[in-house]
Amino acid sequence: EVQLVESGGGLVQPGRSLRLSCAASGFTFDDYAMHWVRQAPGKGLEWVSGISWNSGSIGYADSVKGRFTISRDNAKNSLYLQMNSLRAEDTALYYCAKVEDYGDSPLGYWGQGTLVTVSS
Amino acid sequence: EIVMTQSPATLSVSPGERATLSCRASQSVSSNLAWYQQKPGQAPRLLIYGASTRATGIPARFSGSGSGTEFTLTISSLQSEDFAVYYCQQYNNWPAFGQGTKLEIK
Repeated sequence: EVQLVESGGGLVQPGRSLRLSCAASGFTFDDYAMHWVRQAPGKGLEWVSGISWNSGSIGYADSVKGRFTISRDNAKNSLYLQMNSLRAEDTALYYCAKVEDYGDSPLGYWGQGTLVTVSS
Repeated sequence: EIVMTQSPATLSVSPGERATLSCRASQSVSSNLAWYQQKPGQAPRLLIYGASTRATGIPARFSGSGSGTEFTLTISSLQSEDFAVYYCQQYNNWPAFGQGTKLEIK
């Protein structure tokens, strides 16, 4: 069974940094692309960042480009999101998601999310 | 950047009736279009991918259609558990979600 468990969220002041982690199990982690998706309170889903199986292809939403960095450690079956220069508008529930299959693929599996609150 | 636009924002339908949700892409995404269902306090669940293929375990009352820039999710004979928020998402490029359609009980 695929399991994705996010951690690292919390309350942080504007301008500070936070690192999110996603522990994956139940599948061959280094075979699949992974993504971060966020959802601000009461709002819709926003794709944040994605990374290919071998980290050779990485993408970011314009809203986080230059501030967030996605990475993965295939030996540890883990996905990360380093978030710097945090803003109030980054406040959201951050989901880790696995693609359904190889190639162009939807997000078939989701964690339960970790909440990031940016406030002074 | 591909922009996804869903309509309507809110749809009020009675149980047992049919619901039709629309999604438009700002440029062609071929058939690389997925639909998700999200209920309060839960993570999104994949319903449809490839514009028209149901994901594992999804009831046959859910169907998707379209290609290119225009897509539709149809839920025939609405059940109580179907009232939720629905999102479309393209994966032809880096992912992009629509703003969602809230399906509420009439």
